[in-house]
Amino acid sequence: QQPVQSPQAVILREGEDAVINCSSSKALYSVHWYRQKHGEAPVFLMILLKGGEQKGHEKISASFNEKKQQSSLYLTASQLSYSGTYFCGTEISSNTGKLIFGQGTTLQVKP
Amino acid sequence: GAGVSQSPSNKVTEKGKDVELRCDPISGHTALYWYRQSLGQGLEFLIYFQGNSAPDKSGLPSDRFSAERTGGSVSTLTIQRTQQEDSAVYLCASSLDNSYEQYFGPGTRLTVT
Repeated sequence: QQPVQSPQAVILREGEDAVINCSSSKALYSVHWYRQKHGEAPVFLMILLKGGEQKGHEKISASFNEKKQQSSLYLTASQLSYSGTYFCGTEISSNTGKLIFGQGTTLQVKP
Repeated sequence: GAGVSQSPSNKVTEKGKDVELRCDPISGHTALYWYRQSLGQGLEFLIYFQGNSAPDKSGLPSDRFSAERTGGSVSTLTIQRTQQEDSAVYLCASSLDNSYEQYFGPGTRLTVT
């Protein structure tokens, strides 16, 4: 039931791009993305809803393929501040509020 | 405004003792969530409160865990007869409504010795 994230870890140089994937074995209503820096609480990045609506407030984009039950997070022209662990949280049906999070993808951006 | 607050920030307890963890959500947020995060692991859903509806307790790992939310605001997570495997960071989050972004508190690091 837990979504699977890939890759588990990635190391980038500043300015490089990265893609983080999240796959579920169940049909999804929405996918949420969070970033957690070491020793800090997770911070919201984006919500992708069934039907294509996206809600986010950072310069990070994402896609949600409902048929494939997958979501991808696109980090372009990465900055040092992008370093952290990225989690996808999946919601199976609407109005449940219950998110099942993946194991996380650790991203390290080097100068 | 103030964010989600949790107390205590750290708690060390002996195996077998009961502990209470507190969460103060953002004012006006109707949804409140508890998660557990073990070292280097993801976020494990525990329980979810939405308004006056019955809570979703499907993530509680055993009957030693319980939670309540009084007056639609403050929530307390209680762990009875703590075990070493309960050691983790317990995170609380709140949101304006379900399916909205969740705001996380700083967490309570629980260590059971």
